[in-house]
Amino acid sequence: LAKTTQPISMDSYEGQEVNITCSHNNIATNDYITWYQQFPSQGPRFIIQGYKTKVTNEVASLFIPADRKSSTLSLPRVSLSDTAVYYCLVGALNTGFQKLVFGTGTRLLVSP
Amino acid sequence: GAVVSQHPSRVICKSGTSVKIECRSLDFQATTMFWYRQFPKQSLMLMATSNEGSKATYEQGVEKDKFLINHASLTLSTLTVTSAHPEDSSFYICSARDVAGEYNEQFFGPGTRLTVL
Repeated sequence: LAKTTQPISMDSYEGQEVNITCSHNNIATNDYITWYQQFPSQGPRFIIQGYKTKVTNEVASLFIPADRKSSTLSLPRVSLSDTAVYYCLVGALNTGFQKLVFGTGTRLLVSP
Repeated sequence: GAVVSQHPSRVICKSGTSVKIECRSLDFQATTMFWYRQFPKQSLMLMATSNEGSKATYEQGVEKDKFLINHASLTLSTLTVTSAHPEDSSFYICSARDVAGEYNEQFFGPGTRLTVL
């Protein structure tokens, strides 16, 4: 499983755009990139997933360059409720099971 | 998205007792579920993979005789912490993979806070 590297923490203010970059230099051809959000004392929640280029949903965008060795989660106009830990994971999707290995994550603090 | 529940949400027990934690996929079937442990301010650590109808696969360093896993049906996996000690106090989280989902992602339960006195 590809190892990921993220900043330990980030600070932002309400209304700003936040970009969290994740490095995954050893990503394999079959690996997808998935981001999860975790609030204190809760299980992680799926945010977004992608393989290449750009993916956008109602809560975030995911930018993946052509070499796929990194990815950037973009949160538009963050609010206080976006304060959480964000995890970047890579792994293969197949007909079997997908074993997720969590890295340190990025602790995002949004201030007023 | 799909829903995964855990019961209980928190439990306090005396040292030496056993505690059972249930993980259920409420609106989908999961042949595979995962159990994680998370200590304060740390990331999730995968403990074991629970396979329906077969033995669980444990990660290196996780004692299979201490953390008993049973996956008797496609919607239920249980984790039993046997002879619990204070160092087993942690946040236990399960997840289940919805292979029929749009993103084939894992859905996580809300977690169980275990405190061993």
